[in-house]
Amino acid sequence: AQTVTQSQPEMSVQEAETVTLSCTYDTSESDYYLFWYKQPPSRQMILVIRQEAYKQQNATENRFSVNFQKAAKSFSLKISDSQLGDAAMYFCAYTKRAPNSGGSNYKLTFGKGTLLTVNP
Amino acid sequence: GAVVSQHPSRVICKSGTSVKIECRSLDFQATTMFWYRQFPKQSLMLMATSNEGSKATYEQGVEKDKFLINHASLTLSTLTVTSAHPEDSSFYICSARARRDNKQFFGPGTRLTVL
Repeated sequence: AQTVTQSQPEMSVQEAETVTLSCTYDTSESDYYLFWYKQPPSRQMILVIRQEAYKQQNATENRFSVNFQKAAKSFSLKISDSQLGDAAMYFCAYTKRAPNSGGSNYKLTFGKGTLLTVNP
Repeated sequence: GAVVSQHPSRVICKSGTSVKIECRSLDFQATTMFWYRQFPKQSLMLMATSNEGSKATYEQGVEKDKFLINHASLTLSTLTVTSAHPEDSSFYICSARARRDNKQFFGPGTRLTVL
């Protein structure tokens, strides 16, 4: 069974600085997706970044980037120039890659989350 | 962008009553929808997966007669909590997987309080 582990229940960062959130996962699959989701106090789940396992290049979205180490099954999120609005719960998630684009039952497996506090 | 709506956002009901929560994909077709439950300061717990026109698949430990799921169309899924009890109070989140690209989008959640 796939598992996702986030070993940092809480993290804090000073505004404008950089923070890295850790995530490791376990799977026997070779083709899959990894995600970071953000859940602010509103509790709306927001996709931050997605990584396809077959791509060696690390995904980047503005101030958010990942360090994807497939062999080590590690998928950390780096937030640069942290802003007060980045304060949220961050969830790492995994899913197998669907065989086609016609819809899939493949489930997201979530980690337990890391609560990020941004200090002004 | 892809939007998923949930209605109601908050509901308070008396013990023993049933509550229906709607989940709609507003600008895309979703062949698969997921229902999650989230307790305070915890992760999302998958309750069930539903496909349009077929029965939902429930996760282990989730009572299918308690949590009725209907995925009537490519844009609508409903979760009915039957004979609700205080222990059913929680935050319920739906998610829809887009048919076009398999990306998964989340609704804003529904807070259920059972008195």
